[in-house]
Amino acid sequence: EAGVVQSPRYKIIEKKQPVAFWCNPISGHNTLYWYLQNLGQGPELLIRYENEEAVDDSQLPKDRFSAERLKGVDSTLKIQPAELGDSAVYLCASSSGATEAQYFGPGTRLLVL
Amino acid sequence: GENVEQHPSTLSVQEGDSAVIKCTYSDSASNYFPWYKQELGKRPQLIIDIRSNVGEKKDQRIAVTLNKTAKHFSLHITETQPEDSAVYFCAASNWNNDMRFGAGTRLTVKP
Repeated sequence: EAGVVQSPRYKIIEKKQPVAFWCNPISGHNTLYWYLQNLGQGPELLIRYENEEAVDDSQLPKDRFSAERLKGVDSTLKIQPAELGDSAVYLCASSSGATEAQYFGPGTRLLVL
Repeated sequence: GENVEQHPSTLSVQEGDSAVIKCTYSDSASNYFPWYKQELGKRPQLIIDIRSNVGEKKDQRIAVTLNKTAKHFSLHITETQPEDSAVYFCAASNWNNDMRFGAGTRLTVKP
């Protein structure tokens, strides 16, 4: 069974440009998470979906970040416009439900110049 | 919200020795405690987890203990090997699936 898939793996953009990340969770996992991981730190939750509903987006900087999971499977995270401080690894994870084990994708490493 | 503290931030052991990483949490409602191993440039991988109704869990060379009263939990790795070298993260999650991660421990196992 395939794990969590993310693309692209790497992205280099200039500041003020838009960028989008894509995630495909493990088949059958209804819960999907987007995390941000800065170098030398643990993952920090940006948003959590239960099926297509965003149930926790309190840590998502809504002025420039947006996310969607229209059909309750794949998800897209967008930043517009990107800032230098957005350089980080963006991790997607999925689980079969609340307080179940979360499995991470390989992440997208973003560098904003 | 939940706050998870992890110690030490770096740990160096000789191959064959044991390694212990400790975490404390603040939310008494937390009931799920996973541990992740992350090698450089790779995804965090779940290595073991424990729920609040269990005090200890073991999987080969890895064990986790939980003290709900003191609100701390620990990862124990015995007979360490060079391939155990990585960054280890603890996390705590409550019934609302609000999971918080520790800052990580960089473990180095010297041959």
